[in-house]
Amino acid sequence: LAKTTQPISMDSYEGQEVNITCSHNNIATNDYITWYQQFPSQGPRFIIQGYKTKVTNEVASLFIPADRKSSTLSLPRVSLSDTAVYYCLVGVDRGSTLGRLYFGRGTQLTVWP
Amino acid sequence: DAGVIQSPRHEVTEMGQEVTLRCKPISGHDYLFWYRQTMMRGLELLIYFNNNVPIDDSGMPEDRFSAKMPNASFSTLKIQPSEPRDSAVYFCASSPGTGGTYNSPLHFGNGTRLTVT
Repeated sequence: LAKTTQPISMDSYEGQEVNITCSHNNIATNDYITWYQQFPSQGPRFIIQGYKTKVTNEVASLFIPADRKSSTLSLPRVSLSDTAVYYCLVGVDRGSTLGRLYFGRGTQLTVWP
Repeated sequence: DAGVIQSPRHEVTEMGQEVTLRCKPISGHDYLFWYRQTMMRGLELLIYFNNNVPIDDSGMPEDRFSAKMPNASFSTLKIQPSEPRDSAVYFCASSPGTGGTYNSPLHFGNGTRLTVT
């Protein structure tokens, strides 16, 4: 299983850029890296997904170095509403052998005014 | 699209009672997942289905837990008999793929908060 390691918690202030790094040393060639966001009393919500280099959407950017053993989720100019738990996942789907996604404990991001 | 719909949102029951959680996935999604979330263990995969067929149930904690998917638009997770340690939030998710491949993210419902007293 391609498990991931991320900080348990992070704090930031409104308007700052937040970078959350995830380690996934056992990532396989076909695995994608996916990030989810979870607010209290809600299910996780997809934020961004990537394979290599950089991916950007309207919510965040995802930076993946060449060796793909880590990835960094970047949230520009956070607001109070970005306070949530952020999960980094690595897909373990390999051909005909379907695998299991590992959510881990995630990173609790708290944004302060 | 209404998204993944779970019912009930909250369930309080006594130890020994049967509990049934329900899920309606997004139409057209071939995969359905049941997760359990607790403070101690985080988010755990219990079981997932592909085209209504259970693929991996190795996360089901014990025989008291069972899940079915009689058709593409409905799934249930049953606990019989329930125990206090089953108290958790149970999430259902659906996806066009396994969630790890490209462009097949998981779409979660808002969960069922189960309390067993």
